[in-house]
Order: sequence, then structure tokens, then C-alpha cells
Amino acid sequence: EVQLVESGGGLVQPKGSLKLSCAASGFDFNSYGMSWVRQAPGKGLDLVADISSKSYNYATYYADSVKDRFTISRDDSQSMVYLQMDNLKTEDTALYYCTVPWGWFAYWGQGTLVTVSS
Amino acid sequence: DIVLTQSPALAVSLGQRATISCRASQSVSISRYNLMHWYQQKPGQQPKLLIYRASNLASGIPARFSGSGSGTDFTLTINPVQADDIATYYCQQSRESPPTFGGGTKLELK
Repeated sequence: EVQLVESGGGLVQPKGSLKLSCAASGFDFNSYGMSWVRQAPGKGLDLVADISSKSYNYATYYADSVKDRFTISRDDSQSMVYLQMDNLKTEDTALYYCTVPWGWFAYWGQGTLVTVSS
Repeated sequence: DIVLTQSPALAVSLGQRATISCRASQSVSISRYNLMHWYQQKPGQQPKLLIYRASNLASGIPARFSGSGSGTDFTLTINPVQADDIATYYCQQSRESPPTFGGGTKLELK
């Protein structure tokens, strides 16, 4: 059974930093890219960042809204994916989901809530 | 980026048919593959995959859900609507990177 468990969310002040983690299990983690999708309160779904597998040289993508502030990374030995978020803004407040991009997103974690507020 | 447009809300009666549409700003089809997918999200829950590649039912999804369409116009149909189907539905394309989502259609009871 595929499981994705996010952690690391919380309350942070503007311009602060937070690092999200996602523990994956139940599939061949090394062979798949991983994505972070966020959902602001009452809003829709937005892809924040993704990282490909080693086969594709760990290529990364970032949404324009988070470019130069967020960094996605992965540890294949631990089946973990991370999202380092720096210089956070109030508009980054959202539920952040870890997902597996197989063209479609078949599996989602429960999400971890990030609140950016002074 | 490909923009996906959905109506914000749809009111339907239990036992009736619900038709939710999604229009893409450009074609999301390649050859015989229609790279549009559908999700259901209930309050407080993560999205759940319903339909992949426009018309393929995801594992465990009831047969009252179906999908159709090609090119730029796609439809998710629920027939008949049950109380458990009240949720927000999102379309998503994977024709081009980055994958993008529609704004969601909230299915409401009439």
C-alpha cells in the first residue's frame, strides 16, 4: 500500500523558514519523481515543486511564485522528499501535499499545514 | 502554462445526473491519449483520483462516475448522484509541463 506522510508544517512569521518532509513507502521510490502541491484556505490546487528520479538527473521544477525561495530535494536511501521554504510570505499559507506524479496524481498524503503570519 | 477552466458550482438533485465540464486553453490530447484527469475532494480530505486519461476509472471508484472528451473539452459525469458525492471536483492536465489544475467545481444539492 502506498503511503505518503507529510510533516514539518506550523506557524511561522513572514520572512521565516520552514522545512517540510514527506516519508514515502509502498512503491519503488527511487524510480519515480515526487511533487509538492499546495492548497490555500478555500482555494484550489497548485503545483509548487517537483523533482525527478535519479534516472532524470533529479531535475527540478518550481512554480514562479516560489522560485528562488523554495528548494525541493530527496533522499532515495530514506525514501524521503523535502521542501525547504525560505523567505516565507503570507500568501504561502496553505496545506501542502506530497504526491507522486505519474502523469496523474494517484496518491496523496494527508497534508501538512503551513501558516505564515505575524 | 495550460489553463483549465471549470464552472465554480453545480447544483444537482440526488438520483439525477451531474455533468461537470473542464475546458483547456489548448489541446491536451496526444494521438489517442487524452491527458486529462479528474479528482474528488471532500472537506478536510486530500484529493482522490477518480478518472485518468479522460475516461479510465481509477481503482475502487464506483461505476456511476465516468469521463469523456478530447482536445480541449472534457466532462466528468456522475449518474446517479448520491449524497456521498457532494464534494469539489478538479480537472488536471498532464499534456504539458507543468501539470495544471482547474479551479474546481463544487457540487451542491438542489
